[in-house]
Amino acid sequence: DTEVTQTPKHLVMGMTNKKSLKCEQHMGHRAMYWYKQKAKKPPELMFVYSYEKLSINESVPSRFSPECPNSSLLNLHLHALQPEDSALYLCASWGERGSSYNEQFFGPGTRLTVL
Amino acid sequence: GESVGLHLPTLSVQEGDNSIINCAYSNSASDYFIWYKQESGKGPQFIIDIRSNMDKRQGQRVTVLLNKTVKHLSLQIAATQPGDSAVYFCAEILANQAGTALIFGKGTTLSVSS
Repeated sequence: DTEVTQTPKHLVMGMTNKKSLKCEQHMGHRAMYWYKQKAKKPPELMFVYSYEKLSINESVPSRFSPECPNSSLLNLHLHALQPEDSALYLCASWGERGSSYNEQFFGPGTRLTVL
Repeated sequence: GESVGLHLPTLSVQEGDNSIINCAYSNSASDYFIWYKQESGKGPQFIIDIRSNMDKRQGQRVTVLLNKTVKHLSLQIAATQPGDSAVYFCAEILANQAGTALIFGKGTTLSVSS
């Protein structure tokens, strides 16, 4: 199974809602990532989990809260978002340094709209 | 002709032409680079990679060139097809004690007409 899955595909939420994005991979990768992508822009790194521990937080506002329940799952909890947070949220995974760097895959993303 | 290092946000070519997409990277210490293709509504898809100890690598219909002197990458697509229409990003790998992450460059939208 060489796939990263993300749910939901689309999400519309109000500024007072609490929602979660989910990501799953069964490739045995121990590093998982969240990226944010605005229209016509490159993906921007948000968080990196390595061996289920948060290793990089790119100064992301606390209204975004990542969670890695186990080595196959990655969540992004959303609360009190702003309309400017509307974007495509991408999850990715790959093997850690020492393994082949080209063992990395992106999920299809969750299209988030904040009203 | 096109200047080395010139990044174009869009590139339009005819089917069968060769395409060249350019990218500049920022960190002279980066030792690994990847080209991605992103189609509408999808996540980025790996195309080809290159390590800093190489200056050229070829895949199927694609070639990546690396010029470390000017911190420039290019992706050459031979005999471009309509299915190649997408946004193309280069990415550099930054690896440190905290972990490994991809930093993406500006994308180029490739449009291929029949």
